[in-house]
Amino acid sequence: GAGVSQSPRYKVAKRGQDVALRCDPISGHVSLFWYQQALGQGPEFLTYFQNEAQLDKSGLPSDRFFAERPEGSVSTLKIQRTQQEDSAVYLCASSLGRRMGTEAFFGQGTRLTVV
Amino acid sequence: SQELEQSPQSLIVQEGKNLTINCTSSKTLYGLYWYKQKYGEGLIFLMMLQKGGEEKSHEKITAKLDEKKQQSSLHITASQPSHAGIYLCGADTGGGSNYKLTFGKGTLLTVNP
Repeated sequence: GAGVSQSPRYKVAKRGQDVALRCDPISGHVSLFWYQQALGQGPEFLTYFQNEAQLDKSGLPSDRFFAERPEGSVSTLKIQRTQQEDSAVYLCASSLGRRMGTEAFFGQGTRLTVV
Repeated sequence: SQELEQSPQSLIVQEGKNLTINCTSSKTLYGLYWYKQKYGEGLIFLMMLQKGGEEKSHEKITAKLDEKKQQSSLHITASQPSHAGIYLCGADTGGGSNYKLTFGKGTLLTVNP
């Protein structure tokens, strides 16, 4: 595709429900990043993939959060037993190289609301 | 951990006016990134600064990194409604990792026609 695509754009989940957020990176992009942006805050790093390898997951807030990129392309961020504090916009970015900045492009995000 | 303070939190200007947004770090900046975000959308890369004293411009937007590499400013000349949005500074968290960025909370810019 022309850009990074995230789906769904909006997700409302009942507390305790599991959710899966999808990121389709730009074709051929090696690196993929997930960030979480709470209302009125800047994005916070969650995890980083280089191809299918998850090289850094230090930002995942709890063991309820899990991310995968099994074939080095599409990535899924899964949140189990959602809680209200999980409400945020989840941003995905992909990059041809391993850097942010000029080489990384962000998707439009998935806005998750936990009720 | 590195923290970035942005000021002001929000800014309302009349079209045609100049404005400056500041970003201050608690630690030395290895790489400083400026992004723009429209509400409900992803981040659009504006500029990256790495060297002390560096200055870059794109159209009417100029970004500078001070000599000590702890403060950056974003200056918009003759603002237009299209400049409205949230401006975020992001910093490489150290060691030249370049992939894990710490962001400020953002500055909300409104430009009134």
